[in-house]
Amino acid sequence: GNSVTQMEGPVTLSEEAFLTINCTYTATGYPSLFWYVQYPGEGLQLLLKATKADDKGSNKGFEATYRKETTSFHLEKGSVQVSDSAVYFCALPRDDKIIFGKGTRLHILP
Amino acid sequence: DTGVSQDPRHKITKRGQNVTFRCDPISEHNRLYWYRQTLGQGPEFLTYFQNEAQLEKSRLLSDRFSAERPKGSFSTLEIQRTEQGDSAMYLCASSLNGGTTGNTIYFGEGSWLTVV
Repeated sequence: GNSVTQMEGPVTLSEEAFLTINCTYTATGYPSLFWYVQYPGEGLQLLLKATKADDKGSNKGFEATYRKETTSFHLEKGSVQVSDSAVYFCALPRDDKIIFGKGTRLHILP
Repeated sequence: DTGVSQDPRHKITKRGQNVTFRCDPISEHNRLYWYRQTLGQGPEFLTYFQNEAQLEKSRLLSDRFSAERPKGSFSTLEIQRTEQGDSAMYLCASSLNGGTTGNTIYFGEGSWLTVV
């Protein structure tokens, strides 16, 4: 069945650094792909999504490109802020539900 | 605010007691999901409803767990005879139709359960 694997954290960066969080997937066909973010003590929020191959999802300065050649959906941001400190989850559908990676904790230092 | 709401946000209970969580989805959403999340892990699927019908249950949902959505609106998740291993955050989510087509699934803020 469909699955995702994302890089383990924690990832610690200084403010204004460039961010990449890797995510690779295994899937039948070309399902939608998602990144969700979880801020401390809160539930999950959809950060961005891509619904077909070669699409780029973007939101709040974050981007991810659906690359079928490398079965990847890496999350990137050019200049991170302290407020980006959170846990990020890569996700995709399996049957009629969304399944998540284990999450990558991001710490941004001022 | 018309997002997914969950109640209570935090619950501490003694081992062996029963607990119930409530979820109110976004009003027009016909799909409702329950997930469980433990520290350092991603959310794990428990069950989901299409309107009032419970369409799938994970193997994680032991017979001590029961979920209902009686009128296709709010849902409850009950855990009977709680065990320390039940300590987790229970997340509710809703969507219009399924998430497989790219429809966004919206999550509530979760209900933290601590079993002592």
